[in-house]
Amino acid sequence: GAVVSQHPSRVICKSGTSVKIECRSLDFQATTMFWYRQFPKQSLMLMATSNEGSKATYEQGVEKDKFLINHASLTLSTLTVTSAHPEDSSFYICSATGLAGDYEQYFGPGTRLTVT
Amino acid sequence: QQQVKQSPQSLIVQKGGISIINCAYENTAFDYFPWYQQFPGKGPALLIAIRPDVSEKKEGRFTISFNKSAKQFSLHIMDSQPGDSATYFCAASTGGYQKVTFGTGTKLQVIP
Repeated sequence: GAVVSQHPSRVICKSGTSVKIECRSLDFQATTMFWYRQFPKQSLMLMATSNEGSKATYEQGVEKDKFLINHASLTLSTLTVTSAHPEDSSFYICSATGLAGDYEQYFGPGTRLTVT
Repeated sequence: QQQVKQSPQSLIVQKGGISIINCAYENTAFDYFPWYQQFPGKGPALLIAIRPDVSEKKEGRFTISFNKSAKQFSLHIMDSQPGDSATYFCAASTGGYQKVTFGTGTKLQVIP
C-alpha cells in the first residue's frame, strides 16, 4: 500500500509555455500533499503544502503565480509551471500523507522537467 | 533553526563494512526523524524512522541512533552492499501531517 504516482515522468517544453504535473495517491486518501523540487546533486526543497479543498501554502521565495497548485480531491494534486523558463528545469517530486494511523510521507517517483 | 545538518557529503565503503551518516538539528520542536534512500532519477523512499522517546531503532541492517540531549542522530548500515549505493537523506519534522525538513544528503558508494 501507500503508493504515490506522478505523471508525466519526463516532460520537455518550450520556454514560455505551461506544463502540468499530476500527483496521485493510488491506494489511500491524502490529507496533505507536498511539492518539492530538486536540483542535480542537491537536497529536496519544499515548494508548497496543499490540503484538499483549500489554497496551497507556499514556502518563502516560491512564486505562487508561477507554480500553481490545485488539490481538487483527496487523491489528486496538480502542479502547473506557468510560462516556464530554462531555470525552471528541475526534478519535481510530490509526496502525500494521510494514511490512517500513519503520518509518514510517501513520495512519488518524480517528474523531470526540461525547458528549452 | 529549521536546518538539518548532514555529514559526510559523500562516503565510500567497502562491501561488508559499516556506513555511518550523521545529522544534527537545532529545532527542539522536531519529534520525528526519518531517513530516506534515493536512487538516481527516482523519488526518495522511507528507510527507517525514529521518535525521540527511544535512543535506538534497528530494522534489518539499518540502525538509527538518537541522542536527544546533543540533538544528533545517525544512520548505521551494517554489512554494506553494492546495492546500498544511493543518496541518503536524514530529515526531521514536527510530526502529524507537517512538512519535512531534509538534510543535505550523503552519496554512498559501496565498492566490492
